[in-house]
Amino acid sequence: NAGVTQTPKFQVLKTGQSMTLQCAQDMNHNSMYWYRQDPGMGLRLIYYSASEGTTDKGEVPNGYNVSRLNKREFSLRLESAAPSQTSVYFCATRLGGLSFAETQYFGPGTRLLVL
Amino acid sequence: AQKITQTQPGMFVQEKEAVTLDCTYDTSDQSYGLFWYKQPSSGEMIFLIYQGSYDEQNATEGRYSLNFQKARKSANLVISASQLGDSAMYFCAMRGYTGGFKTIFGAGTRLFVKA
Repeated sequence: NAGVTQTPKFQVLKTGQSMTLQCAQDMNHNSMYWYRQDPGMGLRLIYYSASEGTTDKGEVPNGYNVSRLNKREFSLRLESAAPSQTSVYFCATRLGGLSFAETQYFGPGTRLLVL
Repeated sequence: AQKITQTQPGMFVQEKEAVTLDCTYDTSDQSYGLFWYKQPSSGEMIFLIYQGSYDEQNATEGRYSLNFQKARKSANLVISASQLGDSAMYFCAMRGYTGGFKTIFGAGTRLFVKA
């Protein structure tokens, strides 16, 4: 039982390059989220998928796209990376639905450096 | 809009002493959930404790307790008998109806436990 996995763990890009961050979960959860973590700003939501087949913008979606490939997988794509996208990216999941109480489960994170 | 405020960027505590990490929130919802997560230097996000807005008692989980004051909109984390392994970043988070059941996070407090 791997929980939530993310690949790659670390990536260096040049400005203008593209890449896709992968997230997979084996928890049979419906909802999946992508956050970025920057010093002094906590975690900010980029995109989320409330259920398979749906995606929606979060607080900071500009410069990113997502794909909910199936129930298990949710990818985040940077089409043209910018230095401002240097950050740590976390994928998270939860069972989903209209629940206040359910905790989210986080992947180990991807450290991205854009030069 | 919902907002989480953590006003202490960094805190020091002596080993074996108790420490309180502050968290205030802003919401117009009557029902919502409050969470605390720990992020050690290794980077993973670890769920610590949950408090529901209608819970009559303050939540406790081992050495962690949540001092919930609904009228003041505060949800402070209390760690008793601090250990060196408690040195980490701590994030307060909330989820409510107004936010579309998405979780929002505070900026975090870095706790240093001194031997």
